[in-house]
Order: sequence, then structure tokens, then C-alpha cells
Amino acid sequence: DAGVTQSPTHLIKTRGQQVTLRCSPKSGHDTVSWYQQALGQGPQFIFQYYEEEERQRGNFPDRFSGHQFPNYSSELNVNALLLGDSALYLCASSPRGGNPYEQYFGPGTRLTVT
Amino acid sequence: RKEVEQDPGPFNVPEGATVAFNCTYSNSASQSFFWYRQDCRKEPKLLMSVYSSGNEDGRFTAQLNRASQYISLLIRDSKLSDSATYLCVVSSSGGSYIPTFGRGTSLIVHP
Repeated sequence: DAGVTQSPTHLIKTRGQQVTLRCSPKSGHDTVSWYQQALGQGPQFIFQYYEEEERQRGNFPDRFSGHQFPNYSSELNVNALLLGDSALYLCASSPRGGNPYEQYFGPGTRLTVT
Repeated sequence: RKEVEQDPGPFNVPEGATVAFNCTYSNSASQSFFWYRQDCRKEPKLLMSVYSSGNEDGRFTAQLNRASQYISLLIRDSKLSDSATYLCVVSSSGGSYIPTFGRGTSLIVHP
């Protein structure tokens, strides 16, 4: 049973560019959440998707947007990249019918903005 | 005051020791509580949920103190493999179940 997968694993972008990160949840999971983790900090909640809609959103600007597809996979898009967007981006999925905050994380995408 | 606070440590303990971490939260209406473990440069892994009555999973015991607004994690008989960062997660309520992670407590178990 494959766990949560994310692509790419690493990415280097320039300020002002746009980036798309991808996530496939664990089998049997239908809720996907995205987090940003800076070095030495805990993950910060960006948003959560359920039934292809954004269900909850953390304190992130509109430059951060997402999407969930009918197969439950998800994308995170960040526009107009800033140096401060450099971080590990984690995707987490939660089981269908379970507590949406009992989460299983993917290995993350490390984004570097230069 | 931060929403969720943890002592970053590191806690340095010998193998076999008992160690406990606390995590304080500011929102008294918080509903869900979890402990995660994160190894260096890896993703967080769910360790255990925290129930109101307290719960145990092998060498690990989690407790919730709503009156003082903190959760705790106790690890008995520490193993070298327990070395990691332990993150607590608290979800707020009031119609907006935003999960908030602490910054984590680093544990180093030495021989």
C-alpha cells in the first residue's frame, strides 16, 4: 500500500516565478492538507481540501492556491514567489470517514527560491 | 502568547530513562490533540492521538489537562531510536478546525 507521495522532491525557482507541487494521498484517504515547514519550525497549515473544495485555510496570502481532483490527488500553486517561500512543503492525507486531523504525511517537496 | 508552545530542548537522556514533554495551548476551546514524531529531514509521522482520559501505547503515554491547557507525552525506557523531534498538534474550534503545530521538542537518547 503506497503512502502519500509528492513530486517533485526538490525544486529551485527564481523570485517572481510560479510553482506547482503535486500530492497523491494514501489509498482510502479523501482529505488532503498542505503545510509549509521552515527550518527549525513546526509545519504551518496552508489549507485543506475535501470533495474538491477548500474546506479550511490558514493564514497564507492568496498567492497560495490549490486544487483537488476527483481521484483525491491535489496540487499546491504558489505565484509570485518570494525568498521567504523557501521551505519544505508537506502534503498530508486523512482517511475517509475519520478525523481529518489524523494525518499521514508525504516526504515533502523542498522549495528553494533564489 | 503563541497558540501552541513547546520547549525546543534538546532533552538529552540516557537509554532506559523516562522523559516527559509538555505542550501548552492558548485556545481553551481546542478539540483535537495529537503527538507526531519527526526524524531529521523526514516527514512528521503520527505517534498517537491524545484523549481526554489519557491513553497509552506501549512505552508512550499521552495525557490532556484541559484545566491547565496542556498535553503531555511520557516515554518510558527510552531507546536510541526514540531520538527525534516530537511535535504536538492542537486543532482550534469555533467552526474553523485549523490544526496548529508546535515547533517541536528535540529528544536525544544516548548510550
